[in-house]
Amino acid sequence: NAGVTQTPKFQVLKTGQSMTLQCAQDMNHNSMYWYRQDPGMGLRLIYYSASEGTTDKGEVPNGYNVSRLNKREFSLRLESAAPSQTSVYFCASTRRSGGITDTQYFGPGTRLTVL
Amino acid sequence: AQTVTQSQPEMSVQEAETVTLSCTYDTSESNYYLFWYKQPPSRQMILVIRQEAYKQQNATENRFSVNFQKAAKSFSLKISDSQLGDTAMYFCAFMKAVIKAAGNKLTFGGGTRVLVKP
Repeated sequence: NAGVTQTPKFQVLKTGQSMTLQCAQDMNHNSMYWYRQDPGMGLRLIYYSASEGTTDKGEVPNGYNVSRLNKREFSLRLESAAPSQTSVYFCASTRRSGGITDTQYFGPGTRLTVL
Repeated sequence: AQTVTQSQPEMSVQEAETVTLSCTYDTSESNYYLFWYKQPPSRQMILVIRQEAYKQQNATENRFSVNFQKAAKSFSLKISDSQLGDTAMYFCAFMKAVIKAAGNKLTFGGGTRVLVKP
């Protein structure tokens, strides 16, 4: 099992450009999440998908959109990138959408720089 | 909304010694879970240990143990017999118990950088 994979690993954008961060998991997990990590701060939830076909806003959703393409894939889109979106982005997944046994498994992260 | 606070930005410890990381949280929930995650230089987020709030017994996982004080809303992590591979950022995280459809959402503290010195 590859676990949670993210592409790309690194990306540099100019202000106003758009891009999509891809995330896929091969663990048959129901729930998927997108976080961002800024220096000196912990991870903050951007959007999540409790199950296939549903998405909900997290703590910092402004400037982002998401798509739960199928059970395996959950993408994060920046329509018009801004320097404030420079961050490291993590995708995570859990088997069910409730319960203590549902450890969140994280991908390796994408480092995004917006100039 | 929940908040998680880690008051120690950085700590250093000699190899084989013990270090304790502090975490406090604020919530009005009565049923929740607490976690410690490790983030080494590789950036990978690795679950170290977790605690169910309804359990009075403190969780342990090999050299890692917690001191969970529910009334004080405190959740500290003790790393015993520190090893060079323990060098990493450590994040405390909170998750409230949810119904099945709502998703497990984690709230993270700001992190503590731990440096293990040889």
